Amino acid sequence: EVLLVESGGGLVQPGGSLRLSCAASGFTFSGYPMTWVRQAPGKGLEWVSVISGSGHTIYYADSVQGRFTISRDNSKNTLYLQMNSLRVDDTAVYYCAKKVAGSSGWFDPWGQGTLVTVSS
Amino acid sequence: QSVLTQPPSVSGAPGQRVTISCTWSSSNIGAGSDVHWYQQVPGTAPKLLIYGNSNRPSGVPDRLSGSKSGTSASLAISGLQAEDEADYYCQSYDSSLSAYVFGGGTKLTVL
Repeated sequence: EVLLVESGGGLVQPGGSLRLSCAASGFTFSGYPMTWVRQAPGKGLEWVSVISGSGHTIYYADSVQGRFTISRDNSKNTLYLQMNSLRVDDTAVYYCAKKVAGSSGWFDPWGQGTLVTVSS
Repeated sequence: QSVLTQPPSVSGAPGQRVTISCTWSSSNIGAGSDVHWYQQVPGTAPKLLIYGNSNRPSGVPDRLSGSKSGTSASLAISGLQAEDEADYYCQSYDSSLSAYVFGGGTKLTVL
């Protein structure tokens, strides 16, 4: 069974930093791109970033470009999201998901999510 | 404002059929980009319902179906059940931005 478990969320002040982790199991982790998607309270889904299986190809949403860094450790089957210069509008549940198929691919499955709250 | 446009809400009585639309501009989503659909019950993670415009993962009942034509896609749910009450999102890929995009979501209410 494919399982994704996020951790690392919490309360942080504006301008602060946080690192999220996503532990993967049940599939060949290095063989798949992985992605982060977030959902602000009461709002819809917003794609954040994607990383290729090798880690060599990375893309970000404009809203986080230059502040967030996605990475992965294939030896530990773990995906990361380093979030710096956090803003109040970064408050959201952050989900990691396995990306399937090509560039136009889909996300399946998703982790349970971890809540990040940016507030003073 | 989402690249993909969905109606904020739809509703139907048990047993009825409802459709949820997802539309976009051809300048954003190319003809080669597929559309995928997710269901999210409040308080839980999204779940894949339809991939590649019209394909159902195993375990998704055949009363759910997807289609795509031109600059729009649709998710149809027939034989509506109480358990279908949830939020539904379409998703695709904007190759001009190298970015994945979601619709704003549609809340389905079973009357």
